[in-house]
Amino acid sequence: DVKVTQSSRYLVKRTGEKVFLECVQDMDHENMFWYRQDPGLGLRLIYFSYDVKMKEKGDIPEGYSVSREKKERFSLILESASTNQTSMYLCASRSGGINTIYFGEGSWLTVV
Amino acid sequence: AQKITQTQPGMFVQEKEAVTLDCTYDTSDPSYGLFWYKQPSSGEMIFLIYQGSYDQQNATEGRYSLNFQKARKSANLVISASQLGDSAMYFCAMREDLIIQGAQKLVFGQGTRLTINP
Repeated sequence: DVKVTQSSRYLVKRTGEKVFLECVQDMDHENMFWYRQDPGLGLRLIYFSYDVKMKEKGDIPEGYSVSREKKERFSLILESASTNQTSMYLCASRSGGINTIYFGEGSWLTVV
Repeated sequence: AQKITQTQPGMFVQEKEAVTLDCTYDTSDPSYGLFWYKQPSSGEMIFLIYQGSYDQQNATEGRYSLNFQKARKSANLVISASQLGDSAMYFCAMREDLIIQGAQKLVFGQGTRLTINP
């Protein structure tokens, strides 16, 4: 089975801290995605990547950056966390030839 | 610009009735795909059904079918004979293929919360 693993399920960080959310997939997928999920807003795309070191902005990239140094790992970085970044963050991956998106379990981030 | 629109924030349906969840999309790309996902209260994302833009027939998976109307840019999910376990959030998503081969963008709608009443 394909596995997408997010390193932390629950985090509490202080305003201004640098936050790293890690995502690892074990099926050699080219495409990886970071979303945040908020009530009433659905899943909003933050950044995505289609290859190592390649990244593209999604719909809400402000305040975030990403890193993809290895194909299996896609990291989301909050350079200076703010309270409006309190949310649930979902990582997903997909291979071009497969009609399924695989999701991690989600990371609940609270910024205080 | 909103690419995927789900206009029903919430729906209430009696058990065993059929239910249609609406999804409209916007793209100028001739090659795209549409997904439906279910998210129960546990939070996991469960794949339900997929429709490719070039597929000639509407996709079906058990009790789920996708009413794909390409000219209207709609991809509604139909659940037949609803069950209590169908109560969940439902998300419509669209895959867009970028110019770079293999590169894809995936965007989701706002979701519809479906409640099945006994």
